[in-house]
Amino acid sequence: AQSVAQPEDQVNVAEGNPLTVKCTYSVSGNPYLFWYVQYPNRGLQFLLKYITGDNLVKGSYGFEAEFNKSQTSFHLKKPSALVSDSALYFCAVQTGANNLFFGTGTRLTVIP
Amino acid sequence: GAVVSQHPSRVICKSGTSVKIECRSLDFQATTMFWYRQFPKQSLMLMATSNEGSKATYEQGVEKDKFLINHASLTLSTLTVTSAHPEDSSFYICSASIEGGPYEQYFGPGTRLTVT
Repeated sequence: AQSVAQPEDQVNVAEGNPLTVKCTYSVSGNPYLFWYVQYPNRGLQFLLKYITGDNLVKGSYGFEAEFNKSQTSFHLKKPSALVSDSALYFCAVQTGANNLFFGTGTRLTVIP
Repeated sequence: GAVVSQHPSRVICKSGTSVKIECRSLDFQATTMFWYRQFPKQSLMLMATSNEGSKATYEQGVEKDKFLINHASLTLSTLTVTSAHPEDSSFYICSASIEGGPYEQYFGPGTRLTVT
């Protein structure tokens, strides 16, 4: 069975500082990994994905994530946080059948 | 590209009535559409997966007679909440994917359902 864990419900970071939102996964077979962002009362917006290839994936809005197979992690990072990055972030894993399994979400607050 | 719309964005209905939510892929053909439910401050829970022209596959615990899903065309899927009750109040989000991968799902903006 597949699962995704986001160990932090809340992450606070000062504007301009680097940010990390953590994600670990458990899946049989090769995972497809995704990060999505959700703003209040909105659907999810795609940030980036890892399917295969380079472990460092670059996505929208300056975000990137590193696939670490040995640690089964896919942490989301950004070198310099913006206040507008404040939102709810979801990590998700997909295996065959196109089904996405989401983590519980991490609320990122960037403090001016 | 790959835009998904939902209608309505917000709906309030009385207990016992039925509500239909539409999900459309605007600029691509979606062979598979997904319906999710999101409770406040919680993650998305997959309710069902629908493929065009066939019956939807419901996740365990989701009542198929209560949440009717129709995927009549490659650009439209509908979710009908029948005999709605206050506990059905939630944020419903649809997504769509394109046949052949790369497995990315494109999400609609969501529908806020409130049952009074």
